[in-house]
Amino acid sequence: EAQVTQNPRYLITVTGKKLTVTCSQNMNHEYMSWYRQDPGLGLRQIYYSMNVEVTDKGDVPEGYKVSRKEKRNFPLILESPSPNQTSLYFCASSYRDGWGTNYGYTFGSGTRLTVV
Amino acid sequence: AQKVTQAQTEISVVEKEDVTLDCVYETRDTTYYLFWYKQPPSGELVFLIRRNSFDEQNEISGRYSWNFQKSTSSFNFTITASQVVDSAVYFCALSEPYNFNKFYFGSGTKLNVKP
Repeated sequence: EAQVTQNPRYLITVTGKKLTVTCSQNMNHEYMSWYRQDPGLGLRQIYYSMNVEVTDKGDVPEGYKVSRKEKRNFPLILESPSPNQTSLYFCASSYRDGWGTNYGYTFGSGTRLTVV
Repeated sequence: AQKVTQAQTEISVVEKEDVTLDCVYETRDTTYYLFWYKQPPSGELVFLIRRNSFDEQNEISGRYSWNFQKSTSSFNFTITASQVVDSAVYFCALSEPYNFNKFYFGSGTKLNVKP
């Protein structure tokens, strides 16, 4: 089944304790992104990647790191989490075909992170 | 600048009613893509439809239909004979033509369908 898999689904952690949220897609998609969703603020892009070893900042990158060493994986790293990073996080992947058609994002199931 | 506006924050209907969710977008690009996503109470984001700016044909998929009008920069979504399972938050989104990673999401419309 074509999908984007995020782990964990739920995570409670303490301020300052480094954590990684994993994201993997099995569709051979070039493009991957991380979003956070907060009440009243909608979906905001954290980082995105155009392909292996190519990443760039989205709208709210502060406090996050990413890497894209393999096409299928795009982990989100919080080096020193703070309570304001409590949020619902989504990983997503997409691709375009030879005609340039943008097929839109396939989203993972989400990771609900609480930082206390 | 790119922008997507979903003016309806929340809509409540009774089952079997028809309901239209509005989406208005702003872009200076002549080529772009528009999307609708559904977020049910379980939280995941589910792709519903993609439309490119050159295709103004309306689309129908079962009880769902979409009306794309470039003249008014709108991409509205209608659910016919709504069901309780349609209760969700619906997001409209616009993507840039050359940066496929850049999506502009609307703030979402929460649809409550009551039995």
